[in-house]
Amino acid sequence: QSALTQPASVSGSPGQSITISCTGTSSDVGAYNYVSWYQQHPGKVPKLIIYDVTYRPSGVSNRFSGSKSGNTASLTISGLQAEDEADYYCSSFTRSRTLVFGGGTRLTVL
Amino acid sequence: QVQLVESGGGVVQPGRSLRLSCAASGFDFSTFGMHWVRQAPGKGLEWVAVVSYVGFDKYYAESVKGRFTISRDNSKNTLYLQIDSLRAEDTAVYYCAKDRVCSGNSCSSGFDYWGQGTLVTVSS
Repeated sequence: QSALTQPASVSGSPGQSITISCTGTSSDVGAYNYVSWYQQHPGKVPKLIIYDVTYRPSGVSNRFSGSKSGNTASLTISGLQAEDEADYYCSSFTRSRTLVFGGGTRLTVL
Repeated sequence: QVQLVESGGGVVQPGRSLRLSCAASGFDFSTFGMHWVRQAPGKGLEWVAVVSYVGFDKYYAESVKGRFTISRDNSKNTLYLQIDSLRAEDTAVYYCAKDRVCSGNSCSSGFDYWGQGTLVTVSS
């Protein structure tokens, strides 16, 4: 199972919006609506910020939103804040009943 | 509150074995699929394995199949990962994680709780 494809890095200025893509195949991202996104600050444990493609867990800012089209899922962060600077990972359930993560995207807030 | 506490990590020689444990509390452990995820130093997250709520169904990443064994003891609220024939590339922080709602054999709806991780270093 190959890792999902994410850009290595993205950047944006405070207040702007950014989008991180996560490209898989018809055997994972395209097969189910079981795409999740995680935020990980340096030295910290990953935090779930989006599940089932579009849903936010309680307590997660509504500045985070998720979507999917075909084999590509996306995470959008609006109104960028300094605290959003972190690594972001997508993951997807697969037809093999396994999970696969993306390689991760480093978000820099300029 | 939900807590996941891993233990069992350490420095191990190549070729040796290790068993990691994850003690769970604060939720009905026997209801949820449980996962292991690892992260090599400076690298990204890698999913390792899942065990279904009753322990019958187990699925593994191709990279660890045949050397890693996931299991659980619902009477002890504990998740395990047996790692055999350790290799240098197994060096990582190993996290246990709880599936948000799925039982572990037909879906995965995100990991809503993670442990703090236990570091495994494979070195001679």
